[in-house]
Amino acid sequence: GAVVSQHPSWVICKSGTSVKIECRSLDFQATTMFWYRQFPKQSLMLMATSNEGSKATYEQGVEKDKFLINHASLTLSTLTVTSAHPEDSSFYICSATRLAGVQETQYFGPGTRLLVL
Amino acid sequence: GQQLNQSPQSMFIQEGEDVSMNCTSSSIFNTWLWYKQDPGEGPVLLIALYKAGELTSNGRLTAQFGITRKDSFLNISASIPSDVGIYFCAGQKYGGATNKLIFGTGTLLAVQP
Repeated sequence: GAVVSQHPSWVICKSGTSVKIECRSLDFQATTMFWYRQFPKQSLMLMATSNEGSKATYEQGVEKDKFLINHASLTLSTLTVTSAHPEDSSFYICSATRLAGVQETQYFGPGTRLLVL
Repeated sequence: GQQLNQSPQSMFIQEGEDVSMNCTSSSIFNTWLWYKQDPGEGPVLLIALYKAGELTSNGRLTAQFGITRKDSFLNISASIPSDVGIYFCAGQKYGGATNKLIFGTGTLLAVQP
């Protein structure tokens, strides 16, 4: 159990276009989902926290108008990179939190590689 | 954003050797987690630690939650080629609306057959 999927697995787009990335928890309901960005040879950096039915909470330095997050249900969150530019090229990873008793565990998706030309 | 200090940054070892890596923080965490990331994939949870002093094993992997709650280590015994990857520690604090993870800087492990 605890499978998280992301779609697409990779995307190449032209500068100025918008790209939507989906994150789904396949076999559990996730009260909270997180979006991370990882540049080459670097660690994961949290971008935002997404709760179903409420506005996302963004980390300092992350533009909420550029990275739109929608958490439509307990199994789906989407990240839209609006007007993407080459510096937005990165590996975007989501995670979904599963509650087991009193313990919460984050399970990660396989990531989406974005290349903006 | 905040990151945890993880060392070593990279390790190149022979198959069969034991490996040790650690993670330190200037602040206290309630949970320590260890993840492995293969190239082009998301992190996979290896071990979760929930109490200070806790020592937990998962096959050839052993991890401990430091008594001060500011550090953790991961040991891999008798390494094999499929252990290759990047290992990340992550700390989690409880409180507030969400329980965010703070990741370490990562340890790249290379195992030569």
